[in-house]
Amino acid sequence: DGGITQSPKYLFRKEGQNVTLSCEQNLNHDAMYWYRQDPGQGLRLIYYSQIVNDFQKGDIAEGYSVSREKKESFPLTVTSAQKNPTAFYLCASSTWVGETQYFGPGTRLTVL
Amino acid sequence: GQNIDQPTEMTATEGAIVQINCTYQTSGFNGLFWYQQHAGEAPTFLSYNVLDGLEEKGRFSSFLSRSKGYSYLLLKELQMKDSASYLCAVRGPSGTYKYIFGTGTRLKVLA
Repeated sequence: DGGITQSPKYLFRKEGQNVTLSCEQNLNHDAMYWYRQDPGQGLRLIYYSQIVNDFQKGDIAEGYSVSREKKESFPLTVTSAQKNPTAFYLCASSTWVGETQYFGPGTRLTVL
Repeated sequence: GQNIDQPTEMTATEGAIVQINCTYQTSGFNGLFWYQQHAGEAPTFLSYNVLDGLEEKGRFSSFLSRSKGYSYLLLKELQMKDSASYLCAVRGPSGTYKYIFGTGTRLKVLA
């Protein structure tokens, strides 16, 4: 089955620790995205990548980092510099001419 | 600037019709998308408009007017399971992959 996987579904970390969220897709999509969603709010773009070894900052990139070494994978690291990291994180992918983005199931990060 | 506006909340009755509006001001336009998101879950794709007019998919229809920067999602024969947030998103100019999302409209369907 083709799709996007994110792991883990729930993640707890202590304040000051870096944490990496996994995102893998087997849809052969060129573009991948990371969004953050806070309660009652829409999606805010953190980073996106249109091609391997290239990525661009979104609207709220501060305190986050990404890599795109393989077409299938786009991990997100939430660093200790991110002031309010507790949120629901969504990964997505799309094609060049595709009609939509496809979303993974999300990772809910709680920083204690 | 780039801005997408949707009502925050709407309430409707089971079996009724509801229209959720979305207005946008973006630098470049290459399609407008509607997603449904149930609480705690990922968004799922509902509809896509790139040309003016109405697109119909079963109980869901979406309309676009590019000159007015306006779209709506029409849900017919509302069911309790339609209670969810509905997100409007605009894809940036051709050649970019960037999508801009509105804050979403939370729809409550009452029995």
